[in-house]
Amino acid sequence: EDQVTQSPEALRLQEGESSSLNCSYTVSGLRGLFWYRQDPGKGPEFLFTLYSAGEEKEKERLKATLTKKESFLHITAPKPEDSATYLCVSGSARQLTFGSGTQLTVLP
Amino acid sequence: ETGVTQSPTHLIKTRGQQVTLRCSSQSGHNTVSWYQQALGQGPQFIFQYYREEENGRGNFPPRFSGLQFPNYSSELNVNALELDDSALYLCASSFEGVNGYTFGSGTRLTVV
Repeated sequence: EDQVTQSPEALRLQEGESSSLNCSYTVSGLRGLFWYRQDPGKGPEFLFTLYSAGEEKEKERLKATLTKKESFLHITAPKPEDSATYLCVSGSARQLTFGSGTQLTVLP
Repeated sequence: ETGVTQSPTHLIKTRGQQVTLRCSSQSGHNTVSWYQQALGQGPQFIFQYYREEENGRGNFPPRFSGLQFPNYSSELNVNALELDDSALYLCASSFEGVNGYTFGSGTRLTVV
């Protein structure tokens, strides 16, 4: 059974304080590892797709990396508008498996 | 290019009733999947449709059923509603089930 585990469950940072979110996964037939951002009461918003170990993707203050068993979302100098729940998702041929998410709060 | 749209946005139903939720996939997408998200948790996979056929299903009972139409829009039907069915129901579409899935804003279902 595919499993995705995220840590920490919640993270509070001061504005400008960089950190990383962790995602460990066990997936049969991984097609892609996705990161999404979700704001309260809204659907997930796509951030990145990573396909193979060693791959990195960047977007503004976010950088996602992938190893054979883990993925990391690095947040550099975060701003209050980066506050959201970040979801790590594994994709196989027939389904997406979500982690429980990391709720990030960035304080001004 | 339009995104994924879901209707209705909010719904209140009584225990034992039946409900149908609708999803219009993003233009060019032929794969649609449905998810249930309880408050404070990550989405749970219900099932996926690819070119009108169900090609994957999560651990949900048969009272959760669906359809995908020739235009790739989709419906989620839930029979004999239970209080625990109260959740945000998300629809996502993709092309061939690869790359990023685009999510709708969801339908908030409350069962009383």
